[in-house]
Amino acid sequence: DGGITQSPKYLFRKEGQNVTLSCEQNLNHDAMYWYRQDPGQGLRLIYYSQIVNDFQKGDIAEGYSVSREKKESFPLTVTSAQKNPTAFYLCASSQQGSSTDTQYFGPGTRLTVL
Amino acid sequence: AQSVTQLDSHVSVSEGTPVLLRCNYSSSYSPSLFWYVQHPNKGLQLLLKYTSAATLVKGINGFEAEFKKSETSFHLTKPSAHMSDAAEYFCVVSDGSWGKLQFGAGTQVVVTP
Repeated sequence: DGGITQSPKYLFRKEGQNVTLSCEQNLNHDAMYWYRQDPGQGLRLIYYSQIVNDFQKGDIAEGYSVSREKKESFPLTVTSAQKNPTAFYLCASSQQGSSTDTQYFGPGTRLTVL
Repeated sequence: AQSVTQLDSHVSVSEGTPVLLRCNYSSSYSPSLFWYVQHPNKGLQLLLKYTSAATLVKGINGFEAEFKKSETSFHLTKPSAHMSDAAEYFCVVSDGSWGKLQFGAGTQVVVTP
């Protein structure tokens, strides 16, 4: 089955710790994205990558970092600099990253800071 | 700049009755418009999309939406609600040279027996 996988499904972190969320796709898509979702709000873009070894900041990149060393993988690190990291994180991918492309979403990771 | 306004944060319908979810957008370009559905603690699933072809777009599970440029609207409808339609629905606009999406705040749909 083709699709996007995210792990873990639930993640708990102590304050001051960095954590890395995994996102893998086997759709052979060029573009990948990370979003954050908070209750009662739509999704907000954290980072995106349109090609391997290149990525750009989205609307709320502060306190986050990413890498894109392989086409199928786009891990997100939530650093201790992120002031309010508790949220639902969604990874997505699309064929080429054009405005008409459909973005396909993974099942999400729920991060809770204790 | 692009933006999306979902006019209802919550909609409650009885099973078997029509569903209407309202969405207005603003865009500097000819937009692509999407409706996604999200069930609790799940990722988003595409219902349908408009990309400047037919203005009436049919999607999965009996949903359809009509693009009205003069009204800058993209309302989602379904003739007969099913219990499995209970979920959150997002209207999304994409324009410009790459796939940056602007999400509405979402509409929570409750279906009562």
